[in-house]
Order: sequence, then C-alpha cells, then structure tokens
Amino acid sequence: ETGVTQSPTHLIKTRGQQVTLRCSSQSGHNTVSWYQQALGQGPQFIFQYYREEENGRGNFPPRFSGLQFPNYSSELNVNALELDDSALYLCASSFPGGTRELFFGEGSRLTVL
Amino acid sequence: AQSVTQPDIHITVSEGASLELRCNYSYGATPYLFWYVQSPGQGLQLLLKYFSGDTLVQGIKGFEAEFKRSQSSFNLRKPSVHWSDAAEYFCAVEESGGSNYKLTFGKGTLLTVNP
Repeated sequence: ETGVTQSPTHLIKTRGQQVTLRCSSQSGHNTVSWYQQALGQGPQFIFQYYREEENGRGNFPPRFSGLQFPNYSSELNVNALELDDSALYLCASSFPGGTRELFFGEGSRLTVL
Repeated sequence: AQSVTQPDIHITVSEGASLELRCNYSYGATPYLFWYVQSPGQGLQLLLKYFSGDTLVQGIKGFEAEFKRSQSSFNLRKPSVHWSDAAEYFCAVEESGGSNYKLTFGKGTLLTVNP
C-alpha cells in the first residue's frame, strides 16, 4: 500500500477521443511522475510535475499533457487517442530528499479501440 | 541517452532455489540504479537502490544486488526463492544529480516459481 491512488482503474475509448486519468499522491509528496507501460514493456517516462510546474518530459507528443493541483494531485490528459496509446498508465509520487524512491499507484488500464 | 537491458524475459525457478536476475545499463556517468517489483494488479514497489559506496546493497524481502562498474551490471540476487516472489522485476537507471526523478526502465523479467 503506497498511498498513491489512481482512477479509473480500467477504461475503454475509441480512436480520436480524449481521456483524463487522475492520481492522488501520497501525503507530503509534492512531485508526481507519469509513466506509460505498454504490454510486455517496461514503464516509459511521460513527464513529471513539481509544485504545479512541468519538470521534465519524455519522448511523448504534445497531445499528452498534464496538470498538478495545489493539493499535489495530478491529471494526465491524452487527446486524439491512437490505438498505440493502449497501455497501463502509472502515476508515481515522491518527496524532496535523498531517497529518490518513487511510490507507484496501481495504474489505469486504457484500451483504445 | 541511458538504456537498460534485461536479457532474460522469463525465468522459472523452483521454490527454495537461488535466483539471479541480470541487468546491464548504458550510461556515461555514475548512475543511480534501482530494482522494482510488480506483482499482478499492483503498482511497482522498490526493492533496493544503489547511489554510491558499498557495491553490494541489501533490499527488502531478502533481495540483494551488486553494482559492477567494469561490467556495467547491477544483478539482483536472492539465496532462496519463495512462491510469493513470483512477479515481474524491473531494473531502472536514473541520471544522477538530475533535477527530476526520470527513470529509464528495462523491459522486465517475469519470474515464475514452481512448488
């Protein structure tokens, strides 16, 4: 139990639609990262937010966007869904300091038809 | 850019047997290295990490890993595997000193434990 919760757990969309995934961070964590895990692959870094500002981005197109709110919860938005966006989306929170440990939620499984 | 290779996609061991999962990384400087475990229906959990110092690091659940700079490796070991260790294991590298916690993961090794 990491204290990081994600919603929804599963969802199905069609190509071209838009989706919003939500993440509630562990208490006291002001940094949230999003990862995409395609079937049979390791997680890939999408972006990170620190104190409501984007603080690093992976190799994902602009149709992947995010928000972090004052309570440090976060959203991942994906526009113009493509079939290849089908994946498990993982949110991870962390806090300032030397541990550099990420605390992951259980993920949101997105299927694009 | 850094990369991580986990050569074994799937490993099967018997309960009580020893385990070694391989990980090789590519990174120019001294990396921060991690092993995470993902059980079905659960998020990733940190097993152990290496930043500097002693190259043999101990983690949770009886796991350990050894950093070998000359081989660019960070292999995970456990002397006696339990059935509950069945899961997928991911090795990851982070750019040391970076301002964000961007991890580059390997593709994972699926561990099956036979009774």
